Amino acid sequence: DTEVTQTPKHLVMGMTNKKSLKCEQHMGHRAMYWYKQKAKKPPELMFVYSYEKLSINESVPSRFSPECPNSSLLNLHLHALQPEDSALYLCASRGGGSAGELFFGEGSRLTVL
Amino acid sequence: KQEVTQIPAALSVPEGENLVLNCSFTDSAIYNLQWFRQDPGKGLTSLLLIQSSQREQTSGRLNASLDKSSGRSTLYIAASQPGDSATYLCAVRVGNNRLAFGKGNQVVVIP
Repeated sequence: DTEVTQTPKHLVMGMTNKKSLKCEQHMGHRAMYWYKQKAKKPPELMFVYSYEKLSINESVPSRFSPECPNSSLLNLHLHALQPEDSALYLCASRGGGSAGELFFGEGSRLTVL
Repeated sequence: KQEVTQIPAALSVPEGENLVLNCSFTDSAIYNLQWFRQDPGKGLTSLLLIQSSQREQTSGRLNASLDKSSGRSTLYIAASQPGDSATYLCAVRVGNNRLAFGKGNQVVVIP
């Protein structure tokens, strides 16, 4: 099973709402990622968790709050977002060592009104 | 800083022709290189992963080569089909948890 599952697939929220994106993998991977992708651009790294600890935060605004409850789950909590935060949010996971292949989920399409 | 370039940004080929997509990178100190496919509005699907010590990888109609010394990789898709229409992204792993992506090649295979 090389699947990374993301929910919800689509999310529409107002600027005052609080919502969460969820990501799950059962490949035993210990590195999990959040990326943001705008139309016709490559993915941009937001956060990396390694062994359930936040190892990289690419200077992401605090209105995005990641959480890794266990080795299979990754959440992205959203609060007070701006319309420019509308994008495809991608979760990925990677197996250990230099051989690690990155696997992506199908993404969550977020629209901020 | 690692720069990854994919040229051209978009191309169209008739069905049945072989597709050749190029990726270049500026720093040869990479862990590996991965080719992805992305359909509109969808996530990235991993196609091939080439370790820094390898020269090529093959999967079905796909073959990817890696020349680290010249900073180049080529993805070759044999006998293209309309279902191969997608955006193809090249990414090099530059550190334990970072990938540097190219901007992608948007491919249309014309029936």
